[in-house]
Amino acid sequence: QSVLTQPPSVSGAPGQRVTISCTGNSSNIGAGYDVQWYQLLPGTAPKLLIYGNNNRPSGVPDRFSGSKSGTSASLAITGLQVEDEADYYCQSYDTSPSWMFGGGTKLTVL
Amino acid sequence: EVQLLESGGGLVQPGGSLRLSCAASGLTFNRAAMSWVRQAPGKGLEWVSNIDGTGRSAYYADSVKGRFTISRDNSKNTLYLQLNSLRVEDTAVYYCAKGPHTYISGYDPFDYWGQGTLVTVSS
Repeated sequence: QSVLTQPPSVSGAPGQRVTISCTGNSSNIGAGYDVQWYQLLPGTAPKLLIYGNNNRPSGVPDRFSGSKSGTSASLAITGLQVEDEADYYCQSYDTSPSWMFGGGTKLTVL
Repeated sequence: EVQLLESGGGLVQPGGSLRLSCAASGLTFNRAAMSWVRQAPGKGLEWVSNIDGTGRSAYYADSVKGRFTISRDNSKNTLYLQLNSLRVEDTAVYYCAKGPHTYISGYDPFDYWGQGTLVTVSS
């Protein structure tokens, strides 16, 4: 069981907005460590979507946004597209040292 | 363009050993901390180990500590992971990933990833 908790699945229709939550605790997200988000498509290298809680690397559409509050973080995707169908993972750091991932969320575009 | 290419995966018996490699291009390799992250079949991502740009500092997940060893050869732009005393539960796709700085930081992302190499531990 992952220290960072994500919903197993979310879904939405094309054009809609979806959010994926990531809940941690006082030793990781709540301790002030940044949250990252990654997109995994079958057969391709994982891709960094959001770093430092709410920053997009060059080339990531502004349809993707991140936020963080307290011990939780969220990834929002607006204007949902078919090609957004993928697995999404949050990631942060926990005192050990240990780099932690959420359990992953499968996004289905209906 | 940053490219990371993993190799060395395969089928190995429990208790066996394997060495994974990750060839890097398109970056100043000795200025990038590097990591290994794995994904078991049907499971999520799990951080395994990381090493700073000099090779002098490294960390390991508890699940692999004492069995796996991370290293790098900056003259060859290559990252390695030596896997010893392999267990069935080590079966996974192993990804190498880079960080944005020479040093290891809990605040840093894994900003580029390879496509992974599959390790299967089975008798």
